[in-house]
Amino acid sequence: NAGVTQTPKFRILKIGQSMTLQCTQDMNHNYMYWYRQDPGMGLKLIYYSVGAGITDKGEVPNGYNVSRSTTEDFPLRLELAAPSQTSVYFCASRREGGTDTQYFGPGTRLTVL
Amino acid sequence: GDSVTQMEGPVTLSEEAFLTINCTYTATGYPSLFWYVQYPGEGLQLLLKATKADDKGSNKGFEATYRKETTSFHLEKGSVQVSDSAVYFCALTLSGGSYIPTFGRGTSLIVHP
Repeated sequence: NAGVTQTPKFRILKIGQSMTLQCTQDMNHNYMYWYRQDPGMGLKLIYYSVGAGITDKGEVPNGYNVSRSTTEDFPLRLELAAPSQTSVYFCASRREGGTDTQYFGPGTRLTVL
Repeated sequence: GDSVTQMEGPVTLSEEAFLTINCTYTATGYPSLFWYVQYPGEGLQLLLKATKADDKGSNKGFEATYRKETTSFHLEKGSVQVSDSAVYFCALTLSGGSYIPTFGRGTSLIVHP
């Protein structure tokens, strides 16, 4: 199993540009999550999904969009990038159930200039 | 709502010192408790977990005991190494329809030779 994979690893955007952060998991997990982590800070939940076709907002959804057309993929779309979106983005997945571990991808480091 | 509180960092220790990182929680049900570790430049990965009261999770010399009476899950290691330098996150999840894990803010550990 590759686990949770994310692309790209690094990206620099100009203000106003758009991009999609890709996330794929091969563990057949129903739950998937997008977090951002600012320097020296904890995780903030952007969006999450409990299955294909079902998504919901987290704590900081403004400026982002998601879709979940398959169990495996959960892309995060940034429209009109702003400097405040400079951060490291982590995708995560887990099976259903309260005892289940969350598996994280390696992250995408995004800089908006 | 549910919450996790961790001690502020950074925690700075010399190699072979004893480590304690405090974690307390509030939850409306019966949570499972986790410690995740994030090494520099990487995503979070599970360090250990406990799914019911009085359980002890252990891994790589780290231990934590689920204490329901004090709502705590403190992380301990008897002798830290330089390679343990990382950020440690305490987290909880609930069964029965709650989809979103709750994370603490993370505690940075720096171990000097």
